[in-house]
Amino acid sequence: KAGVTQTPRYLIKTRGQQVTLSCSPISGHRSVSWYQQTPGQGLQFLFEYFSETQRNKGNFPGRFSGRQFSNSRSEMNVSTLELGDSALYLCASSSAIGLADLTDTQYFGPGTRLTVL
Amino acid sequence: AQSVTQLGSHVSVSEGALVLLRCNYSSSVPPYLFWYVQYPNQGLQLLLKYTTGATLVKGINGFEAEFKKSETSFHLTKPSAHMSDAAEYFCAVVSGGYQKVTFGTGTKLQVIP
Repeated sequence: KAGVTQTPRYLIKTRGQQVTLSCSPISGHRSVSWYQQTPGQGLQFLFEYFSETQRNKGNFPGRFSGRQFSNSRSEMNVSTLELGDSALYLCASSSAIGLADLTDTQYFGPGTRLTVL
Repeated sequence: AQSVTQLGSHVSVSEGALVLLRCNYSSSVPPYLFWYVQYPNQGLQLLLKYTTGATLVKGINGFEAEFKKSETSFHLTKPSAHMSDAAEYFCAVVSGGYQKVTFGTGTKLQVIP
């Protein structure tokens, strides 16, 4: 099976712009989660989607949003970029369906490195 | 609420020496615990996970971890370090709710030849 893919791998934007990142999960996986990784804050959970619905959300401002399509592919969008948004954005997919599947392994993509100038 | 504390942001060991990376967790309900490894410019790869049952968990690449409820710990060990083990390691906990994972701040492992 192909792994989780994320596009683009690298992105440079300027303050105030917006950006859209894409994630294609492993075939058959319906749960997609997004994380922000920075040297200062570490790995922080952004949100999780399952069957086109956002099931869980971390503590990020409304500038961060996402969506999931019927084929489970997901996008996240950041509007009005700030310097502090520079980070590695990781996407993870799993075969988890419900609360009983918490143990299902998350498979991570290589990430998109966003630099905001 | 759940949290994870990884003691030591950087750990150095000699090649062939024991690797010990420490992780303590806080959780109001029985936790599920994970260790991930991240190589430079790559995503995270699962090393091992504890859900229920046997408290000593064996993972890939010779790593293992022991869940100790009384100590709220889940330390990662490997008997003999290899140069290829140099990477950043993350401990994570899931308890309650959906797939909401809390990660530790990571420990960078350096292996000295």
